[in-house]
Amino acid sequence: DGGITQSPKYLFRKEGQNVTLSCEQNLNHDAMYWYRQDPGQGLRLIYYSQIVNDFQKGDIAEGYSVSREKKESFPLTVTSAQKNPTAFYLCASSMLGTPIQYFGPGTRLTVL
Amino acid sequence: QKEVEQDPGPLSVPEGAIVSLNCTYSNSAFQYFMWYRQYSRKGPELLMYTYSSGNKEDGRFTAQVDKSSKYISLFIRDSQPSDSATYLCAMSTFTGFQKLVFGTGTRLLVSP
Repeated sequence: DGGITQSPKYLFRKEGQNVTLSCEQNLNHDAMYWYRQDPGQGLRLIYYSQIVNDFQKGDIAEGYSVSREKKESFPLTVTSAQKNPTAFYLCASSMLGTPIQYFGPGTRLTVL
Repeated sequence: QKEVEQDPGPLSVPEGAIVSLNCTYSNSAFQYFMWYRQYSRKGPELLMYTYSSGNKEDGRFTAQVDKSSKYISLFIRDSQPSDSATYLCAMSTFTGFQKLVFGTGTRLLVSP
């Protein structure tokens, strides 16, 4: 079945630690995205990538980093510089030339 | 003022009712309009999308776009308890990178 997988489902981090969230898709989509979802604030774009080895900052990129070494994979690192990292993180993908995005199941990150 | 406004609810209805979910927006350049359904602790699932104005029907769901009023709606006929979820609207202009702008979501509760 084609789709987007995210791992882990739940992640706990101590303050000062970096953590990496995984996102993989087998939809053959070129574009991939990372969003953060907080209660009452909707989805906010962190980073996006339209092709391999290229990515751009979204609206709230500070404290996050990404890489895009393979078309299928777009991992997100939440660094210790992110002031308030506890949130629900969503990965999405789309075909180039269309805004229709498909989402993964999400990763819930909690900072202890 | 937010680009996309959506009443957070909750909207409570009895099983079998017709549900109307709405979003208003301020950017007249929006051309793509999407509705996502999100169950608790899950990723958003694309329900429907429309391009420009008009109606689109898919089973019990109907999406309407009124560009003159900058208003979109999602109607759910014969609502079921399984429809209980948060419904997100999302919009995009049709220029270059297809950034989505999301509403904050309306929580729907359908009681048996």
